[in-house]
Parts: sequence; structure tokens; C-alpha cells
Amino acid sequence: QVQLVQSGAEVKQPGASVKVSCKASGYTFTGYHLHWVRQVPGQGLEWMGWIHPNSGDTNYAQKFRGRVTMTRDRSINTAYMELTSLTSDDTAVFYCARDAGTSYDFWGQGALVTVSS
Amino acid sequence: QTVVTQEPSFSVSPGGTVTLTCGLSSGSVSTSNYPSWYQQTPGQTPRALIYNTNTRSSGVPDRFSGSILGNKAALTITGAQADDESDYYCLLYMGSGNWVFGGGTKLTVL
Repeated sequence: QVQLVQSGAEVKQPGASVKVSCKASGYTFTGYHLHWVRQVPGQGLEWMGWIHPNSGDTNYAQKFRGRVTMTRDRSINTAYMELTSLTSDDTAVFYCARDAGTSYDFWGQGALVTVSS
Repeated sequence: QTVVTQEPSFSVSPGGTVTLTCGLSSGSVSTSNYPSWYQQTPGQTPRALIYNTNTRSSGVPDRFSGSILGNKAALTITGAQADDESDYYCLLYMGSGNWVFGGGTKLTVL
């Protein structure tokens, strides 16, 4: 069965970086784009960008360009999202989601990142 | 930058029908935006309801349907049930590999 398992909750100081992982299983990792979505507590979903695990091609939302980097390690079927220069506004749950073509059919469980001094 | 608009909140009576919409601050939504809809209850991961405008995801009851109404994408729930009380988000493809979520609609069933 398809699963996306994300890394655990993290607490970071302002100005730091965070790297969230998303380990895929139950399907061909290189066959589907993986997207990342941010959700600030009490607010809506926000598209951050995607990576294609086969080629490593990426596309980032304009809002996050310069601060986000999405990578993957094909040997362990894992994608990563790194966000730098964190502020308290980045306190959020970060999801990875598999792109089935025109929708997200499977989601990771989410990783809470808390930015606090 | 184009904003994807949704009603912030909506209310429906049990058994009633409600249509949530998803529009653009500039222009019209079409099938080329590949509208999809997601349901999220508090503390849970979103789940896909509708993709490609009007295709139901696996396991989604047929009381959920998608369409284009006028210049917006629409999600219609027919025969609303108590457990339909959730947040609903649309997602649109904006071209050049870019996607944008709407702000979400909080649906109350009472």
C-alpha cells in the first residue's frame, strides 16, 4: 500500500533552517511528482512546490523561492524539503503529497515545525 | 498575483444541498485549471474528493460532485451529513508547473 512517512516534529530558532523528509513506499518512487504543502495552524493549505524524484526537477512557489530547496535520494525513496531563514510565521505543519496527475492522492502525516526562541 | 477565492464559510442543513465555489481574482476557472477539491477535518490530513473538475476520488460518496459553474469551479454536496462538516479546499493549476490552493471554506452542518 502507498505510504508517505514524514519526519517528526521539530523546534527551531528564528533564522535557522529545517529539513523535513518524506519516505515513500508501496509504489515506484520515481514515477510521481511529490509536492509540499504548508499549513499554518488555524489557516489554509499553501502550495510550496514540487520535485520530480526521477529527474530531480523542481518548481517552487514564488513566495518561497530563494528560501526553499527540494531534493531527493532515490536510493532510499525519500524526498526532502529544506526551508531556511525561519521566522515565527513559518510555524506550520508541512505535508508531502503524491501527485497523481492532477490531484494529490496520498499525503504524508505532516511534520510540525515550531519556530521559537 | 492571481488569488484563488472561496467562500470563507457556509452552512447547510442535514439532508440539504450546498454548492461551494472556487474562483479567480482575475479571469475564469476552466477545465484547463484541473480543479480538485480536498476535505480536511481538524487535526487530520486532507483527502482528495474530486479531481479533473468532476471525477470522484476512490471511495468518495456520490453525494459529492464537481463541475464548472459559470466562471468558477464548484463542489456540490447533495444530502449533506453531519460528518461532512469540514474545511474544503480547491486546488487549481495555474500553468508553468504552478499550483495554488484556495483559502478554504469552513462548512457547518446544522
